[in-house]
Amino acid sequence: DIVMTQSPDSLAVSLGERATINCKSSQSVLHSSNIKNYLAWYQQKAGQPPKLLIYWASTRESGVPDRFSGSGSGTDFTLTISSLQAEDVAVYYCQQFFSTPFTFGPGTKVDIK
Amino acid sequence: EVQLVQSGAEVKKPGESLKISCKGSGYSFTSYWIGWVRQMPGKGLEWMGIIYPGDSDTRYSPSFQGQVTISVDKSVSTAYLQWSSLKASDTAIYYCARPGGGGAQGLVDYWGQGTLVTVSS
Repeated sequence: DIVMTQSPDSLAVSLGERATINCKSSQSVLHSSNIKNYLAWYQQKAGQPPKLLIYWASTRESGVPDRFSGSGSGTDFTLTISSLQAEDVAVYYCQQFFSTPFTFGPGTKVDIK
Repeated sequence: EVQLVQSGAEVKKPGESLKISCKGSGYSFTSYWIGWVRQMPGKGLEWMGIIYPGDSDTRYSPSFQGQVTISVDKSVSTAYLQWSSLKASDTAIYYCARPGGGGAQGLVDYWGQGTLVTVSS
C-alpha cells in the first residue's frame, strides 16, 4: 500500500492569512504514461461527507474558490489556502488514486486563530 | 443530478449481521465504479474497496478483505456493504463514493451522506 502522511496535524490561521498543508506519499504517484500526479485533496466539514477540492495535484474542481491551490509532484504535495475564510474551517485530506487501495492521509485540521 | 442516497443509521449487537445500501441516481449506474470509505469516530478516512456495477469486478483494501462484502444489484442501481458478524470496532460512519471515471477509479467526485453503524452490547 502507498502510505500518505500529512503535516501539520493541525493549524490555526488568522482570517485572511495563508494556510499551507503538506502531504507526502511513500512512493511516487506520478504516472509515466500521462505525466499526471494521481493526488487529490478533500475538505471535510463537521458532520458532512468529504468534498473534492483538487485533483491531478493542481486542478481545482468546478466551483471551488480560487483561494485553494495545489502543487507538487512525485511524492511531495502542498495544498494552499491563500486567504483563509471562516467557512474554510475543516479537516483536509490528501489521497492517492494511483493504485489500490486508494489511501488517504491522516488529515489536517484547520481552525481560525 | 448525480445522487448517492444511503440507508439509515443502524444499531446492532456484536455478532449480528448487517447490510447497508447506497442507491445511485442521475447517471448510468453500471458505467461508474462505486466504493466504500470508513470513518471511525473522530478519525480519518479509510478506503475499503470498490466495485464496478457493470461486471461486479471488486477490489478490496487488504485491511478489509475477508471482513466485509461489497456487492451491487444493477436492477435497482444499488451498492451494498455487508458484514456477517459485527464487532464493536466496526462502529463508524460508512460513506459510499463514486469516482468520476476517466481511468481514475479512486478519484471521488460524489459522496453519499454516510451511514452511521453503531455496534454495542
